[in-house]
Amino acid sequence: KQEVTQIPAALSVPEGENLVLNCSFTDSAIYNLQWFRQDPGKGLTSLLLIQSSQREQTSGRLNASLDKSSGRSTLYIAASQPGDSATYLCAVRPIQAGTALIFGKGTTLSVSS
Amino acid sequence: GAVVSQHPSWVICKSGTSVKIECRSLDFQATTMFWYRQFPKQSLMLMATSNEGSKATYEQGVEKDKFLINHASLTLSTLTVTSAHPEDSSFYICSARDSAAHEQYFGPGTRLTVT
Repeated sequence: KQEVTQIPAALSVPEGENLVLNCSFTDSAIYNLQWFRQDPGKGLTSLLLIQSSQREQTSGRLNASLDKSSGRSTLYIAASQPGDSATYLCAVRPIQAGTALIFGKGTTLSVSS
Repeated sequence: GAVVSQHPSWVICKSGTSVKIECRSLDFQATTMFWYRQFPKQSLMLMATSNEGSKATYEQGVEKDKFLINHASLTLSTLTVTSAHPEDSSFYICSARDSAAHEQYFGPGTRLTVT
């Protein structure tokens, strides 16, 4: 059974720091991996989606990498800002058709000004 | 990008009553819809998967008679929480995927509070 783990569970950094969030998954048979942002009490905002054949995706200050064989992904946030404070969720889509995304527990990020 | 809506965004109900939550795909046809539940400070847990016109497939531990899912059309799925209890209070999020998409699109969630 696929399991997704995110480390650390929480992270506090001062504004301007570059930071890395980690995600690992136990079964490398995935279709894609997606990073989401969730603000308190709100729904999900998709940040980056990496297909299983890709190594990384970039959007603005965000860069996500995928090493499918080792079951790892990282989300790199450059020059963090207070507005980046949120919970970041990693999710994998199993390769089996019709299956849902499986989520990690998230990393709660707090960026102080 | 594709848009998924949920209604209501929040609801408060009394213990023992039933609550229906709607999930709509606004600009695409969703052959598959998913319902997740999220407790405070927890991640999203898949409750069930539904394909249009078929019975939903429930995850282990989710009572199908308590959480009724209907996916009668390609743009609408409903989740009915029957005989709600305070422990059913949670954030319910639906998600939709069409046959051509690589992504699952998520609704904004429904906050259910059972008193």
